Amino acid sequence: GAGVSQSPSNKVTEKGKDVELRCDPISGHTALYWYRQSLGQGLEFLIYFQGNSAPDKSGLPSDRFSAERTGGSVSTLTIQRTQQEDSAVYLCASMRQEYNEQFFGPGTRLTVL
Amino acid sequence: SQKIEQNSEALNIQEGKTATLTCNYTNYSPAYLQWYRQDPGRGPVFLLLIRENEKEKRKERLKVTFDTTLKQSLFHITASQPADSATYLCALDYNQGGKLIFGQGTELSVKP
Repeated sequence: GAGVSQSPSNKVTEKGKDVELRCDPISGHTALYWYRQSLGQGLEFLIYFQGNSAPDKSGLPSDRFSAERTGGSVSTLTIQRTQQEDSAVYLCASMRQEYNEQFFGPGTRLTVL
Repeated sequence: SQKIEQNSEALNIQEGKTATLTCNYTNYSPAYLQWYRQDPGRGPVFLLLIRENEKEKRKERLKVTFDTTLKQSLFHITASQPADSATYLCALDYNQGGKLIFGQGTELSVKP
């Protein structure tokens, strides 16, 4: 079966522009997570969706970051007015709640010039 | 805030030997502790999960221990192979399915 997919795989943008990153989770997975990974660093939690519950936004670094999940499936992470420090790999993961094992996508590499 | 430390230096071992990776954390113990493998340019892949009330978990050549007194988990790969070369990430789960808090990872290199 298909795994978690993310698009685009690479995104280069200019400072100040807005970007949208997309995540298609595994069908039937109710939980969806966004993380980011800076060069040589571990993963940093950003936001978590679980079913119809209010998302856990506690990891979003600023109000320039937002995410939504439509219809309990696809999710979009939006970064407004991008800054150079936003450059990182943005990883999405999904999970079936009863298994506690997160399945990660390949990530989107964002470069802000 | 919670702090997780993994071996900061790369671990180089000979094929066939046992690799042991360390994950130490501060503050209170998580409900679950997980280990992931990450290859360059790819997302992490789940390997093992161990619960707070478990001491040891095994899966094929992999073994994880969890000592809540020492606040430490050890990850062992026995009979290591060059294909085991990757970065291994420790992750803490305090909410049984919520967000994961990751360590920075340890790079393992297995030489033939």
